[in-house]
This record gives sequence, structure tokens and C-alpha cells, in this order.
Amino acid sequence: NAGVTQTPKFRVLKTGQSMTLLCAQDMNHEYMYWYRQDPGMGLRLIHYSVGEGTTAKGEVPDGYNVSRLKKQNFLLGLESAAPSQTSVYFCASSYPLTGRDEQFFGPGTRLTVL
Amino acid sequence: GQQLNQSPQSMFIQEGEDVSMNCTSSSIFNTWLWYKQDPGEGPVLLIALYKAGELTSNGRLTAQFGITRKDSFLNISASIPSDVGIYFCAGGSNFGNEKLTFGTGTRLTIIP
Repeated sequence: NAGVTQTPKFRVLKTGQSMTLLCAQDMNHEYMYWYRQDPGMGLRLIHYSVGEGTTAKGEVPDGYNVSRLKKQNFLLGLESAAPSQTSVYFCASSYPLTGRDEQFFGPGTRLTVL
Repeated sequence: GQQLNQSPQSMFIQEGEDVSMNCTSSSIFNTWLWYKQDPGEGPVLLIALYKAGELTSNGRLTAQFGITRKDSFLNISASIPSDVGIYFCAGGSNFGNEKLTFGTGTRLTIIP
């Protein structure tokens, strides 16, 4: 199993450009999450999904959109990138139907907005 | 949003020393998780705790679920260079609430 994979690994955008980050998991997990990580801030939840076709806002959703068209994929979109969105983005997945809260993370995408 | 208080924020130790760190919350959690993040990588799950008072080991790592449900502790014995990284705690409800609350991390550095 590859676990949770993210593409791309690095990206540089200019202010106002758009892009989509892709997360894929092969563990048949129901729940998927997008976090951003900034120095000294820990992990902050952007959006999450509890199943195919469903999404919900997390702690810092503004400026981002998400879609979960297939169970194994969770896409994070930036419609008009801003320098404040410079961060490292992590995707995670979990299978809470087992009664366990453990989330498994991808390797991250480092995004710089100039 | 709420974040857990993790201490210390950073540690500088010599190889072979033991390490202790903790995580505290004003809220009760039913799950405590400990993750390690290497530079340039995503967090990796180390230990999961699901019962108050539970003490669980994973090699040289030992974690405890505080009896009040508001704290958790992680100990590393006989540190080695590959222990370097950032350690995060996370609290969960384990009641179908799908979100975790994360600590701000403890950065561990080993001095040559």
C-alpha cells in the first residue's frame, strides 16, 4: 500500500493564480482531511470530508475549496492564491468506523505564493 | 480553534539521555495520539491511547493517558540521533467526532 500520497510536492505561485492539490489514499478510508502547517502554529484543519460527495469546513477554510468525487481522492483548490497561503499542506485520512481516531498523513506539499 | 498546550516547545539533549514531554488541555479527550514529524515529511503516528490511565510502549517510547483525561505524556529512553524531529500530541473524542485537536509540537534536537 502506498498509504496517503500528495501531488505536487512543491509549487510556487504568483498572487492571483489558481491551483489544485491532489490527495489520494489506497486504504479505503472514509474520512479525509486537509491541514496547513505554519511555523509555531501546529496543524490547522482547512476542510474535511466524511465520505464520497461530502465536504465540511474546518478551522481555516477561507480562500480554499475542496471536492471529494471519489472515495480515494480529496482535492484542495486555491482559486486566487495570496501570500498568506504560503504554507505546507498536509492531507490525512482515517477510518473511524473501527472506533479509532487515528489519522494517517501524506508527505506534504510546500506551497510558496509570491 | 482550540489547540493543546504542549511542553516544552523545544529540547536540546545529548545522545543517550531520556526525554519527557507532555500535553495538556482544558477539555476532556477520549483519545490521545502521539505523532513524530521528520524534516520535510508528514507526521507519522507513534502511539495511540484509548483508555484513561493507559500506559503504552512502542520500543523506546512510552506514552500515558492521564487519569483526568486532560493530559498525556510521552517519554523517550536512551535517545538516538534518529529521534530528532518534532513531536505532536493530538486529542480526539472517539465518539464519531471526526476531528482531532493538535498540540503545537515539541522540537527535539540532539547535541553532538
